Amino acid sequence: EVQLLDSGGGLVQPGGSLRLSCAASGFPFSSYAMGWVRQAPGKGLEWVSDISNSGGATYYGGSVKGRFTVSRDNSKNMLYLQMNSLRAEDTAVYYCATRSGGKPLDYWGQGTLVTVSS
Amino acid sequence: DIQMTQSPSTLSASVGDRVTITCRASQSIGTWLAWYQKKAEKAPQLLIYKASSLQSGVPSRFSGSGSGTEFTLTLSSLQPDDLATYYCQQYNSYPWTFGQGTKVEIK
Repeated sequence: EVQLLDSGGGLVQPGGSLRLSCAASGFPFSSYAMGWVRQAPGKGLEWVSDISNSGGATYYGGSVKGRFTVSRDNSKNMLYLQMNSLRAEDTAVYYCATRSGGKPLDYWGQGTLVTVSS
Repeated sequence: DIQMTQSPSTLSASVGDRVTITCRASQSIGTWLAWYQKKAEKAPQLLIYKASSLQSGVPSRFSGSGSGTEFTLTLSSLQPDDLATYYCQQYNSYPWTFGQGTKVEIK
């Protein structure tokens, strides 16, 4: 059974940093691309980032490019999102998700809440 | 960036009704389109990928169609459990983009 466990969210001041983690199990992690999506309170879904199965290719949405960095450790079945220079508008629930067999985001974590506020 | 526009933003229908949601892309995306269901306090669920392929485990009352710039999600017979917000997403090119969502209410 595919399981994704998001963690690392919390309260951070504007300009601060936070690293989200996603622990994966139940599937061949190193074979799957992975992604991050967020949902701000009362808003719609926003695609954040994508990383290839090897980690050699990464992609970002315009609102986070240059501030967020996605990475993975295939030896530990872990996905990460390093978030720097955080802004109030980054406040959201962040979800990690798998991309299997060329599909878009098919299995999702439960989400972790990031709140950026002073 | 490719803009995705859904209509309507909200719809109210009765149990058993046929419901259709439309998604338009600002440029051609072939069939690289997905539909997701988002319920309150739950993670999104993939319903349809490649415009018309039903994700494993998703009820057959959900179907998708379209190509190029116009796509539809159809619920053949609305059920109480379908209360949710539905999003289209293009994955033809980065950055991937979602529509603004369609909230489905049960009359």
